[in-house]
Amino acid sequence: DAMVIQNPRYQVTQFGKPVTLSCSQTLNHNVMYWYQQKSSQAPKLLFHYYDKDFNNEADTPDNFQSRRPNTSFCFLDIRSPGLGDAAMYLCATSRDGGNNSPLHFGNGTRLTVT
Amino acid sequence: AQTVTQSQPEMSVQEAETVTLSCTYDTSESDYYLFWYKQPPSRQMILVIRQEAYKQQNATENRFSVNFQKAAKSFSLKISDSQLGDAAMYFCAYRSAVDYKLSFGAGTTVTVRA
Repeated sequence: DAMVIQNPRYQVTQFGKPVTLSCSQTLNHNVMYWYQQKSSQAPKLLFHYYDKDFNNEADTPDNFQSRRPNTSFCFLDIRSPGLGDAAMYLCATSRDGGNNSPLHFGNGTRLTVT
Repeated sequence: AQTVTQSQPEMSVQEAETVTLSCTYDTSESDYYLFWYKQPPSRQMILVIRQEAYKQQNATENRFSVNFQKAAKSFSLKISDSQLGDAAMYFCAYRSAVDYKLSFGAGTTVTVRA
């Protein structure tokens, strides 16, 4: 089945140690998103790609970077994780921005910072 | 920037009964899309129902229906004949027709009593 796959499901990293979360999709969607979701809160958009066009949210910390080497893959790099970066990170895709292309979410990666 | 407000942090409903979740949003745009997403505990976020702003007819998906009041900027979700599997956090979301970003409300946790 076509889907959005996030690896790993759980990630533990040390304070200040760089970490990379990955997302892949078999839907061939144009748009890929990264959201941060802290416990019982709304997902917060960090950035998104339309094809190779990168769009950063104004309040996304510089500590967060993203790469999309091809249509299928997108990575979230956290250069120096702090305790406050512990959260669920959700990857999502959509075919485009229209209503007939809702977001499809992966299962998320839960990041713990020790 | 658009804001989405869900004023009910928690709702409880008896199995087989009906519950309505409220959502309001703030926008200056005339064309946009609205969504309700469901996030069961520790599980993937999935789309429940969607509505185009230019459509006056309220969307319906089986036991889920919306009451879309464009002038009031209100988009409530009604869950009829509630089932135990409906227990989840429900997020109202707004998507501009201009960009590809999805903005979420804070969520409403629905508990279904057997």
